[in-house]
Amino acid sequence: QVQLVQSGAEVKKPGASVKVSCRASGYTFTGYDINWVRQATGQGLEWMGWMNPNSGNTGYAQKFQGRVTMTRNASINTAYMELSSLRSEDTAVYYCARARGAVTNSDYWGQGTQVTVSS
Amino acid sequence: QSALTQPASVSGSPGQSITISCTGTSSDVGGYNYVSWYQQHPGTAPKLMIYEVTNRPSGVSNRFSGSKSGNTASLTISGLQAEDEADYYCSSYTGSSTLVVFGGGTKLTVL
Repeated sequence: QVQLVQSGAEVKKPGASVKVSCRASGYTFTGYDINWVRQATGQGLEWMGWMNPNSGNTGYAQKFQGRVTMTRNASINTAYMELSSLRSEDTAVYYCARARGAVTNSDYWGQGTQVTVSS
Repeated sequence: QSALTQPASVSGSPGQSITISCTGTSSDVGGYNYVSWYQQHPGTAPKLMIYEVTNRPSGVSNRFSGSKSGNTASLTISGLQAEDEADYYCSSYTGSSTLVVFGGGTKLTVL
């Protein structure tokens, strides 16, 4: 069955960077784009960007351009999202999700990774 | 890119039908047939309920249906059940560098 398993919770200081991993199984990793979405506590969903695991092509939300980098290691079916220059407002749960067809169709989601930014 | 507009909350009794609206602009909802709906229970990841305006993924109950008119998309849940109580989010393709925008979310309460 399709599964996306994310790395564990992180605590970072302001100004630092965080790198979250997302290991895929149960399907052909290079056949589907990966979206990254975050959710602050009690808040709504926010789309951060997408990556094509086959080509490595990426597209980032304007809000995160210059601060986010999405990469992959196809040999181990794993996608990564790195966010730099962290600030307290980046405290959130970060999700990876498989995009089925259109980028808006996130049909399988990881369990989420809590990132806390605190001094 | 502004978030899509959803009502903060809706409610209904078991067995009833409810509709959640999602209003955008001609640059997102109105311009493309790429509207999705997600259900999220507390402490869990979102679940895709509707994609490309009207399509249901395999395994999603046919009590859930989607539609669109102009710049407003809608999710209708018929025969409300207690397990439907959750937060619901719409999303749309935008065609800008921010390819996807979400709505602010709607809390559904089953009375």
